[in-house]
Amino acid sequence: SYELTQPPSVSVSPGQTARITCSGDSLSKQYTYWYQQKSGQAPVLVIYKDTERPSGIPERFSGSSSGTLVTLTISGVQAEDEAHYYCQSADSSGTYEVVFGGGTKLTVL
Amino acid sequence: QVQLQESGPGLVKPSQTLSLTCTVSGGSISSDDYYWSWIRQHPGKGLQWIGYIFNSGSTYYNPSLKSRITISVDTSKNQFSLKLRSVTAADTAVYYCAEVRGENGMDVWGQGTTVTVSS
Repeated sequence: SYELTQPPSVSVSPGQTARITCSGDSLSKQYTYWYQQKSGQAPVLVIYKDTERPSGIPERFSGSSSGTLVTLTISGVQAEDEAHYYCQSADSSGTYEVVFGGGTKLTVL
Repeated sequence: QVQLQESGPGLVKPSQTLSLTCTVSGGSISSDDYYWSWIRQHPGKGLQWIGYIFNSGSTYYNPSLKSRITISVDTSKNQFSLKLRSVTAADTAVYYCAEVRGENGMDVWGQGTTVTVSS
């Protein structure tokens, strides 16, 4: 089945830039979505359609895409950004199967 | 603003059927702008998509669960439901329902409900 690959963990100091990657064969053909999940809470959509930011999401969150690699960038990381981040996309073979990446734990040092 | 609330038993015996309901408030489940999804999260693990349903009644399921699941909509109650048959301990998880705003992603999630499969 289709898979999305994320690094298990990323660590940055406050004020620095965090970059979380997601790779998958179909990412050049399907949109990618990013979700933030803080401990004990439901996920929250922070980026949709590769680069769009929902209302209410801080401008420091941005997304980019290059072929089969997409990146979530958090500029000027704050302590409150410590969370798990999941990318999500869909199989491009016509099955409509939705797939999540394994998740990346962002630690703010 | 749409809100979602999952409900159902927190404990299910092995081999039985897990039944969960997601109640939609603040909006109509019949809206053509949305469709509806179930996602689960095993303890300490990542997110797993279960399936989704369109207003037309069309459903799409995770291939790994397809033989055991049914997702349905009750427009009169503004609810959609998940049934997962023949559960085992491996189905113990937090189950979330979510609104999918087309290509804009899963923009509203329920708070999640914990289901434990145990005798």
